Amino acid sequence: DMKVTQMPRYLIKRMGENVLLECGQDMSHETMYWYRQDPGLGLQLIYISYDVDSNSEGDIPKGYRVSRKKREHFSLILDSAKTNQTSVYFCASSLLQGVGQYFGPGTRLTVL
Amino acid sequence: GDSVTQTEGLVTLTKGLPVMLNCTYQTTYSPFLFWYVQHLNEAPKLLLKSSTDNKRTEHQGFYATLHKSSSSFHLQKSSVQLSDSALYFCALRGSALGRLHFGAGTQLIVIP
Repeated sequence: DMKVTQMPRYLIKRMGENVLLECGQDMSHETMYWYRQDPGLGLQLIYISYDVDSNSEGDIPKGYRVSRKKREHFSLILDSAKTNQTSVYFCASSLLQGVGQYFGPGTRLTVL
Repeated sequence: GDSVTQTEGLVTLTKGLPVMLNCTYQTTYSPFLFWYVQHLNEAPKLLLKSSTDNKRTEHQGFYATLHKSSSSFHLQKSSVQLSDSALYFCALRGSALGRLHFGAGTQLIVIP
């Protein structure tokens, strides 16, 4: 069963705290993505990873970093979270030459 | 650069009526278009993907035709149902390998 998982599903942090969002996939997809979704702005790409330790910035990478040490796992890290990083974060995966991305269920992050 | 435009932010329709959600794109690359649907508090899911120029593609009662001459890939359904209420995203796979460019999304609300 093809699946993208995300942990945690809900998270509340205080401004300045560090945040770790985790994503896993069981499809051996080489490409993985982190997006954030805000009302009226659609899905904005934060980072794309083409494989282990092969990461590239997306459209809005500032304030974020990523880590991919295994093909099936992709982490998003917020060092010293800010209130404007309150959002819903989606992870996705795909074959590089594939024709569609599979999305995880999302993490709703609130930074107070 | 690559971009996608969805002109309607919100569409409200009565059950049983036809719907067309607009999607136009810009790219200098050979385009591949997608429609994703996102129900409330769920992840985006692939609904449709484009085929060859001027060929209609269908899934779950929805259909769309890629028209390269007008750079469009509008989503249509002949009779909407209450369960079609969701956020619909058009996405373009353009020049950058592995990347999708998403439109801002169209919220479809179907009323009884």
